[in-house]
Amino acid sequence: EIVLTQSPATLSLSPGERATLSCRASQSIGIYLAWYQQKPGQAPRLLIYDASNRATGVPARFSGSGSGTDFTLTISSLEPEDFAFYYCQHRSTWPLITFGQGTRLEIK
Amino acid sequence: QVQLVQSGAEVKKPGASVKVSCKASGYSFSDYHMHWVRQAPGQGLEWMGWINPDSGATNYAQKFQGRVTMTRDTSISTASMELSRLRSDDTAVYYCARDAFGSGVMDVWGQGTTVTVSS
Repeated sequence: EIVLTQSPATLSLSPGERATLSCRASQSIGIYLAWYQQKPGQAPRLLIYDASNRATGVPARFSGSGSGTDFTLTISSLEPEDFAFYYCQHRSTWPLITFGQGTRLEIK
Repeated sequence: QVQLVQSGAEVKKPGASVKVSCKASGYSFSDYHMHWVRQAPGQGLEWMGWINPDSGATNYAQKFQGRVTMTRDTSISTASMELSRLRSDDTAVYYCARDAFGSGVMDVWGQGTTVTVSS
């Protein structure tokens, strides 16, 4: 079973700063990684799929990179609405899927 | 617009079963797999499985095999997830989510259904 490990667990930053979130896979998953954003009381929202493709309607300040075992979600300049939980998810073992444990992005 | 609307909150006793429904609109229901994902209070996302609405084929996470059943009714564009032999640790918000490409990318989510298991 492939395990996704996200770091840090909590990231404290201020609006306008750059955020870098990490997701590491226990073995190579190619580019088959997605990122989701979840705000309290809301359903998750797809941000990035296949490591670097932005989903429809996602602002350009969100970008994804990586392949193999190491992936990064970058938010170039944080807006107040970006403070939320972020989850990575892989599909390299389709039809099976797993999520990372999440990173909380909080206002410093 | 594309939308998934789930059934309302449920309270169940341990050992009972619960069935959550997910009605799709704004797209061709049979053309997209549907996933079920749950989230226990204060915890992360946990994938439960998916159903192909066209064929009815399913694939369940090993953890839930034997307890979960996913079905669909194409005549009313609705997918359902039934979980049996409920335990207190099944208390969670249950989401349905459309698969964008038929390979695990979830692009549209339902609003979630809270299931509480308590004696």
